[in-house]
Amino acid sequence: EAGVTQSPTHLIKTRGQQATLRCSPISGHTSVYWYQQALGLGLQFLLWYDEGEERNRGNFPPRFSGRQFPNYSSELNVNALELEDSALYLCASSLVGELFFGEGSRLTVL
Amino acid sequence: AQSVTQLDSQVPVFEEAPVELRCNYSSSVSVYLFWYVQYPNQGLQLLLKYLSGSTLVESINGFEAEFNKSQTSFHLRKPSVHISDTAEYFCAVSDLGSSNTGKLIFGQGTTLQVKP
Repeated sequence: EAGVTQSPTHLIKTRGQQATLRCSPISGHTSVYWYQQALGLGLQFLLWYDEGEERNRGNFPPRFSGRQFPNYSSELNVNALELEDSALYLCASSLVGELFFGEGSRLTVL
Repeated sequence: AQSVTQLDSQVPVFEEAPVELRCNYSSSVSVYLFWYVQYPNQGLQLLLKYLSGSTLVESINGFEAEFNKSQTSFHLRKPSVHISDTAEYFCAVSDLGSSNTGKLIFGQGTTLQVKP
């Protein structure tokens, strides 16, 4: 069974640009979670999608947004990139309770 | 609001020695507790979890953790570590069972450095 897959693995952008990160959950999982792992800040909850709807959002500005598609895959969009957005973005999926994480997408903002 | 405190940011230990990574949490509702491990340049892997039942939970690679409700702790232990256990370990708490905000709240992480 394939795990959670994320793309791209690495992404380099400059300040002010937009970044789009993608996540495919484990087959059968309907919930997708996004976390940011920035140096020195630990793992911060970003977004939770379930059945195509945004269910909860962490303490991040509106330029962090996303969506979940009918096949339960998800996109995370970060607009107007800032240097401090440089981080590993982790996606996780779950069916009930336990979260399964992907390998992450490392975003570098120059 | 829930929070997790991992009391040690780094734990150096020699190979084959025992280790304990400490985790305390605070929550006003029933919680689920997790330990995740992150090897360099990789994502998070679930090490073990407490959902209900026995307060002592074990992983397949020799780690164990005990849920102590009175002390609000979920410390991770291993009686004899290997070089390959070198990684960052995250304790996490969620309310996925009760109010279910969908959030998994992580501690700041503990870097386990196993020396030969």
